[in-house]
Amino acid sequence: GAGVSQSPSNKVTEKGKDVELRCDPISGHTALYWYRQSLGQGLEFLIYFQGNSAPDKSGLPSDRFSAERTGGSVSTLTIQRTQQEDSAVYLCASSLRQASSGNTIYFGEGSWLTVV
Amino acid sequence: DAKTTQPTSMDCAEGRAANLPCNHSTISGNEYVYWYRQIHSQGPQYIIHGLKNNETNEMASLIITEDRKSSTLILPHATLRDTAVYYCIVRPFTGTASKLTFGTGTRLQVTL
Repeated sequence: GAGVSQSPSNKVTEKGKDVELRCDPISGHTALYWYRQSLGQGLEFLIYFQGNSAPDKSGLPSDRFSAERTGGSVSTLTIQRTQQEDSAVYLCASSLRQASSGNTIYFGEGSWLTVV
Repeated sequence: DAKTTQPTSMDCAEGRAANLPCNHSTISGNEYVYWYRQIHSQGPQYIIHGLKNNETNEMASLIITEDRKSSTLILPHATLRDTAVYYCIVRPFTGTASKLTFGTGTRLQVTL
């Protein structure tokens, strides 16, 4: 597709279960970002991948959260032992390269996670 | 990264120009001003960005003051579909900084 694709679009899970969220960036984009947005709140940075460089994990809220990016393309965000406070929309974004020289970051429509 | 200050909310009548201000008084010389918007339940949408010159595209115009300490996003003929939260963000264009830091934005309500 032409844009950033995320799946699933909606996920309801029981507290304590693990979840995986997938992101397909725009073809050719080497930079990939994960954000989350809780209901009525702003966007919170989680993690950033750029090519083969070590990811910037400074935004991950706890060690229950992890992300990987295979082959420099698709990324998976994993949340282990989900808690109710993890309920949010998880947004993926990509850009041509590191956020510099005015390169635009494009966002997907998000994966809505509800932990019950 | 420089921080930005925006009004919490604004109203605009349909068909009129919406002028959304942003203060970024601590902006550095290597930082761009970006604008995104987020319509309810959707991912943020890129609108426009600029460094020091005014910019215009099919969506909006961006006016940056000469000292670059503030800017204004202009939607020339607002429609109901422009109702959204508008975010003003500054980002460096060199170095290793990578985060796009969103503030609380301005909630624009376009009314009939």
